[in-house]
Amino acid sequence: DAGVIQSPRHEVTEMGQEVTLRCKPISGHNSLFWYRQTMMRGLELLIYFNNNVPIDDSGMPEDRFSAKMPNASFSTLKIQPSEPRDSAVYFCASSPSRTEEEKLFFGSGTQLSVL
Amino acid sequence: QKEVEQNSGPLSVPEGAIASLNCTYSDRGSQSFFWYRQYSGKSPELIMFIYSNGDKEDGRFTAQLNKASQYVSLLIRDSQPSDSATYLCAVNIWGATNKLIFGTGTLLAVQP
Repeated sequence: DAGVIQSPRHEVTEMGQEVTLRCKPISGHNSLFWYRQTMMRGLELLIYFNNNVPIDDSGMPEDRFSAKMPNASFSTLKIQPSEPRDSAVYFCASSPSRTEEEKLFFGSGTQLSVL
Repeated sequence: QKEVEQNSGPLSVPEGAIASLNCTYSDRGSQSFFWYRQYSGKSPELIMFIYSNGDKEDGRFTAQLNKASQYVSLLIRDSQPSDSATYLCAVNIWGATNKLIFGTGTLLAVQP
């Protein structure tokens, strides 16, 4: 298996632009997580899905952030409009089952820079 | 108080020594505890998990849990330069959903 696949690896954009990050989880994994990592705040959980349904989005910073999972093999995280403080590494992770939800397999991340 | 606290380091140990990484957590209801390793510029990877008080060994790694003290640690025996990385402690927060809260990590540097 190729693991969790994220795209793009790097994104540089200007303040106010829309940014869309993409994730393909490991086939057969039921849960998908979006995390954001910064030096100051570490890894923060933004939202997670189970069987394509959003379970907890309490970590989504504000209405500018939205996430979708239209099917079991694809998810997006969208920021509109983007701001410089959104600059971070965004990781997508998946886990095999509800009973093993904490055993996360991370993608390579998207390094986002908002100028 | 942060939910999961770690010393940011860097923790510097000589090759072959034991590295001891520590983590405290605030939620007494937490049931599951994890150690992830993250190399610079890479994504985190799971290396150990522990659910019960006491020690759990896996090769050169030993995880230790003390729920009464709300303390979890990771020992790395015979440290190698390839162990140099940031080690993230993660704790399951008790509640309706399984939510993993990560510490900010401890940077370990193993000196050859």
